[in-house]
Amino acid sequence: QKEVEQDPGPLSVPEGAIVSLNCTYSNSAFQYFMWYRQYSRKGPELLMYTYSSGNKEDGRFTAQVDKSSKYISLFIRDSQPSDSATYLCAMRDSGGSNYKLTFGKGTLLTVNP
Amino acid sequence: GAVVSQHPSWVICKSGTSVKIECRSLDFQATTMFWYRQFPKQSLMLMATSNEGSKATYEQGVEKDKFLINHASLTLSTLTVTSAHPEDSSFYICSAISGSQFFGPGTRLTVL
Repeated sequence: QKEVEQDPGPLSVPEGAIVSLNCTYSNSAFQYFMWYRQYSRKGPELLMYTYSSGNKEDGRFTAQVDKSSKYISLFIRDSQPSDSATYLCAMRDSGGSNYKLTFGKGTLLTVNP
Repeated sequence: GAVVSQHPSWVICKSGTSVKIECRSLDFQATTMFWYRQFPKQSLMLMATSNEGSKATYEQGVEKDKFLINHASLTLSTLTVTSAHPEDSSFYICSAISGSQFFGPGTRLTVL
């Protein structure tokens, strides 16, 4: 079993739809959870950063973490064609200066106008 | 968020030559930077952790003599792919820590 599982998609939705992206993980030591957006041939861009369980909202984006289920989600409301990209979940433990991230494989999202 | 740059953005080289990629933190100092490799439609694979003023820490399976990392200052880390071969063709991405981990735009390496 991989440490982080993420459905690679592809996921295709119409403009304005609510998008739900998810990752599951097996390492209970993970404490920090991130979502990155990566456009084709570009570096990943940090979207959301959460610590431990709970919800965090930023504009059209909401990140949820359920540590009891080892499950994290990213919701995109009123999706736009410009949201078309690969979304990567990433996580790490809280050990000292260890910033090494474990990534999911990424989900390719296409928002159709 | 913090800004990380990479140079060059794209490089083509002949098999057997060496290529150097630069990673800079533009508006902050970074004692730690990371180097990743990403193949098409794959996720990021961590290659090594670059620490300012000390030797890099390589992930299992990454050849340290082939991928030379130098982190000579708090704003610059370099990755040199030595004696590059076609199988080294990939997208190389660096990142630096400023609270969270911020990524550069990536360097596409094509080895002919």
